[in-house]
Amino acid sequence: DVKLVESGGGLVKLGGSLKLSCAASGFTFSSYYMSWVRQTPEKRLELVAAINSNGGSTYYPDTVKGRFTISRDNAKNTLYLQMSSLKSEDTALYYCARQGYGNYGYFDVWGAGTTVTVSS
Amino acid sequence: DIQMTQSPASLSVSVGETVTITCRASENIYSNLAWYQQKQGKSPQLLVYAATNLADGVPSRFSGSGSGTQYSLKINSLQSEDFGSYYCQHFWGTPYTFGGGTKLEIK
Repeated sequence: DVKLVESGGGLVKLGGSLKLSCAASGFTFSSYYMSWVRQTPEKRLELVAAINSNGGSTYYPDTVKGRFTISRDNAKNTLYLQMSSLKSEDTALYYCARQGYGNYGYFDVWGAGTTVTVSS
Repeated sequence: DIQMTQSPASLSVSVGETVTITCRASENIYSNLAWYQQKQGKSPQLLVYAATNLADGVPSRFSGSGSGTQYSLKINSLQSEDFGSYYCQHFWGTPYTFGGGTKLEIK
C-alpha cells in the first residue's frame, strides 16, 4: 500500500523551531516530487514547501520563505520540514503529500497529518 | 498569485440528488485543475486531475469539466459517503493555490 506517515508535530512557543518528518512506503520515493501542505484551523489549505525528486530544487511561498526548509533523504524514504521563527499563523495541521508522477502539481497521496500549535 | 474562488461555500442536499460545485480562477489555468474530497477528520483525497480525469478508484458519478478560468465538479445521484468538503486547486505554476472549499451537508 502507498503510505505517508507524518511525525514531529507538537506545541511550540512563538519564535521557536520544530522539525517534521514524513516516512514514505509502497512506492519509489526517489521518483516523485513531494510537498508539505498545511490546513489552518479555518480549514484553508496552503502549499508551504515543495521539493523535486533528487532534492536539488525547492519552492516556498513568501509566507514561509526564509523560515521553513524542506529536504529529503531518498535512501531513507523520508521527507522533512524544518520550521523556525514560528508565528501564530503557522498553527495548522501539516500534511505530507506526493505530487502526481511527472511533476504534475496535483497531490495524489496524502498522509494523515501532524498538528503544529504555536503559542505565546 | 492565482486566486481560486469556489461556490457555493456550503450546500445542503439529499441522497440521490445531483450537485454541481464551481471554481473560478483569477486567470487562465489551462485545465491545470484538481478536485479533492475531504471527510471529517480525514486528509484530502484526489478526485479529479487536469480538470476532467478521474483519479484511480473514484466512482463514475463524479465528473469534472471546464476550461480557461471556469471549472465544475458534478456529482450525480449523491450517496451518503459523498458528504464532506470539496476543494479545487490549480497547478498552473507556483504557488499552487486552493479554493476556500464547499461543505456538502445532508438535508
